Amino acid sequence: RKEVEQDPGPFNVPEGATVAFNCTYSNSASQSFFWYRQDCRKEPKLLMSVYSSGNEDGRFTAQLNRASQYISLLIRDSKLSDSATYLCVVPSPGTYKYIFGTGTRLKVLA
Amino acid sequence: ETGVTQSPTHLIKTRGQQVTLRCSSQSGHNTVSWYQQALGQGPQFIFQYYREEENGRGNFPPRFSGLQFPNYSSELNVNALELDDSALYLCASSTRTSGTYEQYFGPGTRLTVT
Repeated sequence: RKEVEQDPGPFNVPEGATVAFNCTYSNSASQSFFWYRQDCRKEPKLLMSVYSSGNEDGRFTAQLNRASQYISLLIRDSKLSDSATYLCVVPSPGTYKYIFGTGTRLKVLA
Repeated sequence: ETGVTQSPTHLIKTRGQQVTLRCSSQSGHNTVSWYQQALGQGPQFIFQYYREEENGRGNFPPRFSGLQFPNYSSELNVNALELDDSALYLCASSTRTSGTYEQYFGPGTRLTVT
């Protein structure tokens, strides 16, 4: 089993739609989690940090389910500018090593 | 903008050559991590430098090496380049607090090995 797994997509959704991505992780000792957004041929940019059960920032909500070992990212009222790859990151416990998922591609259609 | 810079932005090298990539961390950050991102994949951890010492290494061979300088900037060196080394190389800067911490990425160096 991979340490961090994501559905690669692509997810094609119309503007205004709500879309959710899941990310599963294998190490139950993991304590913190991140979602990064990466545009084509650009660097990853931090979108959200999750240290407890969840986090919300405007149209974006991240939720953590420790029992099932997954993190979700919900995007409400999708905009064309939300089109990107969303990377789930789980730092390796006890280290400062980031483990990335392969990313989920989102395309928001007009 | 994160304040993390990398140079060069693009590089083309021949198999067997050596390459040095550079990274300047964000002001106030003392830790630099390096990642390799192949096309269509998530970034893979190469190693991390904290206070000028390597502090954790991923599954990369010894021909990948690095340095961190007193001003916290860093270099990634790759010897005996192979075709599979073609990738986007990202550095990320951070500062340690209790527990884990957030990393901020530079724009990357795109390396092509022919």
